[in-house]
Amino acid sequence: GQQVMQIPQYQHVQEGEDFTTYCNSSTTLSNIQWYKQRPGGHPVFLIQLVKSGEVKKQKRLTFQFGEAKKNSSLHITATQTTVVGTYFCAGRGGGGSNYKLTFGKGTLLTVNP
Amino acid sequence: DADVTQTPRNRITKTGKRIMLECSQTKGHDRMYWYRQDPGLGLRLIYYSFDVKDINKGEISDGYSVSRQAQAKFSLSLESAIPNQTALYFCATCMGGGSEQFFGPGTRLTVL
Repeated sequence: GQQVMQIPQYQHVQEGEDFTTYCNSSTTLSNIQWYKQRPGGHPVFLIQLVKSGEVKKQKRLTFQFGEAKKNSSLHITATQTTVVGTYFCAGRGGGGSNYKLTFGKGTLLTVNP
Repeated sequence: DADVTQTPRNRITKTGKRIMLECSQTKGHDRMYWYRQDPGLGLRLIYYSFDVKDINKGEISDGYSVSRQAQAKFSLSLESAIPNQTALYFCATCMGGGSEQFFGPGTRLTVL
């Protein structure tokens, strides 16, 4: 079945440093979504990427979808303590919208103020 | 009021007991999902439902069953709970067509 690998599992940074998490799928995806889960909270949708090579930005967050639609990344510049949490990618397989999302295991980001 | 609610929020039970976790949504979405979250393992899909008459197994359905009582309600049951079912359980909904999923607040289940 479809697998989505996400690295790193953990990342600790100093406030002001950049952060990147990467996702790789074993199969071509129709789209990929990113979610954030604050400590003690539930996953909250951040963004969806659909097109090959797509890049989207939200303030200091930059999301990319690979040309082959099998990998994606989330980059945060100049981290602040407000960005702490676990970031998940979730891929949806090809062949139509009925395929379920497969989540990566997430990257837990902590920021030292 | 929250759009996706889960009850109970916390539950401690004993091995062998039957447990039901409930999820309700006011978003009018057709699709509902049950996930479990374990440290280091991310979110794993247990069951999903595309409408009241359409129930599908996810990747870890063994030991679980579900009921879609109405468009707005999707319940997860553990017929005979075991300790390795101790986890955080999330319900989620989405409109369909590849759209985003909306998660409930979660139920923390401990099986002793």
